[in-house]
Amino acid sequence: RKEVEQDPGPFNVPEGATVAFNCTYSNSASQSFFWYRQDCRKEPKLLMSVYSSGNEDGRFTAQLNRASQYISLLIRDSKLSDSATYLCVVTPWNNNDMRFGAGTRLTVKP
Amino acid sequence: DAGITQSPRHKVTETGTPVTLRCHQTENHRYMYWYRQDPGHGLRLIHYSYGVKDTDKGEVSDGYSVSRSKTEDFLLTLESATSSQTSVYFCAISELGSSYNEQFFGPGTRLTVL
Repeated sequence: RKEVEQDPGPFNVPEGATVAFNCTYSNSASQSFFWYRQDCRKEPKLLMSVYSSGNEDGRFTAQLNRASQYISLLIRDSKLSDSATYLCVVTPWNNNDMRFGAGTRLTVKP
Repeated sequence: DAGITQSPRHKVTETGTPVTLRCHQTENHRYMYWYRQDPGHGLRLIHYSYGVKDTDKGEVSDGYSVSRSKTEDFLLTLESATSSQTSVYFCAISELGSSYNEQFFGPGTRLTVL
């Protein structure tokens, strides 16, 4: 079983739709959580960190459920420019060994 | 964008040859990382460095070595390339370590081992 698992998709949604991705992790010692975005044939870039209390950044909302060991990302009012692969990332505390999920691909269509 | 460059950006080589990939940063960040990305696996850490001459192994370090003689440069060497090392290699940097803040990634190197 992989340490970080994501539904690979693809998710194909129309503009304006709300879409949610989940990510599960197996290491209960994981302490830091992130969502990265990766465009086709480009490098990953940080989308947002995920805090225990949940956090929002514009149309994006991230949630953490430690008891069930999953992280979610909600995108509201999808834009064409949201089309990308979204990577879930977890890191044990004070440890540089970040573990990436394989990514969930999103395509937003007109 | 963070100042990270990787060279070469593309390389095709033959099995058994040595290959060195270079990562160069202009941000003076302490931490540097090498990842490989393969379909279905996501990014996997090969090695990382927490200072000049200070390095440690990651999840998939077998067959790879690294060196960091200057803050700005982190080299990844495949001593004898194999076809299983065909991949996209990303370098990343971080100021305080990945638990504390984000990593910034370079543009990647596409390596094909024939």
